[in-house]
Amino acid sequence: SQKIEQNSEALNIQEGKTATLTCNYTNYSPAYLQWYRQDPGRGPVFLLLIRENEKEKRKERLKVTFDTTLKQSLFHITASQPADSATYLCALSLSGGYNKLIFGAGTRLAVHP
Amino acid sequence: SQTIHQWPATLVQPVGSPLSLECTVEGTSNPNLYWYRQAAGRGLQLLFYSVGIGQISSEVPQNLSASRPQDRQFILSSKKLLLSDSGFYLCAWSRERGAGNTIYFGEGSWLTVV
Repeated sequence: SQKIEQNSEALNIQEGKTATLTCNYTNYSPAYLQWYRQDPGRGPVFLLLIRENEKEKRKERLKVTFDTTLKQSLFHITASQPADSATYLCALSLSGGYNKLIFGAGTRLAVHP
Repeated sequence: SQTIHQWPATLVQPVGSPLSLECTVEGTSNPNLYWYRQAAGRGLQLLFYSVGIGQISSEVPQNLSASRPQDRQFILSSKKLLLSDSGFYLCAWSRERGAGNTIYFGEGSWLTVV
């Protein structure tokens, strides 16, 4: 069956450290993978998109890797801050047709001062 | 710039009552429109998407329906709500039809069916 999995347990880290979140998928062949941030009670906000032929993408303190062999994406936040505390969702974008995104359940990140 | 508005933000409805959630997008034309539902602790589930006026596709069979009476208006409805319809509903839009485009979400509507 097709699955997209993110660690359901919250990730707790100390301010200033690097947070690494994992997204694994099975039986999908995504053309793109996206990461979103969601604050409690709010709609998700787009952060980064990486294509299947890209290994890594960076934006300020954020870095995403995409390994289509391992079927895994890693999302890194360097020099983390308490304001980075939120739930982070990965989403697979399948090729063809309309823009269908398959979302993972998300991982909650808590950055402690 | 583009904005998306969704309302009401919160509602409590009795079982068997009707539902209407509305969403409008401003600052763009011919957007793709989406309705998602998010149950507690679970991922976003795509309910409906629309690529144009009157064109609605359903992803999962359910007690809900969607309509797109105007280019930038998307409505989620039910004739008779079930307890299982409770959840966080999100309207969203994207610019183009193909894959790989960012989806922009509204602020969501909390629905509690009692």
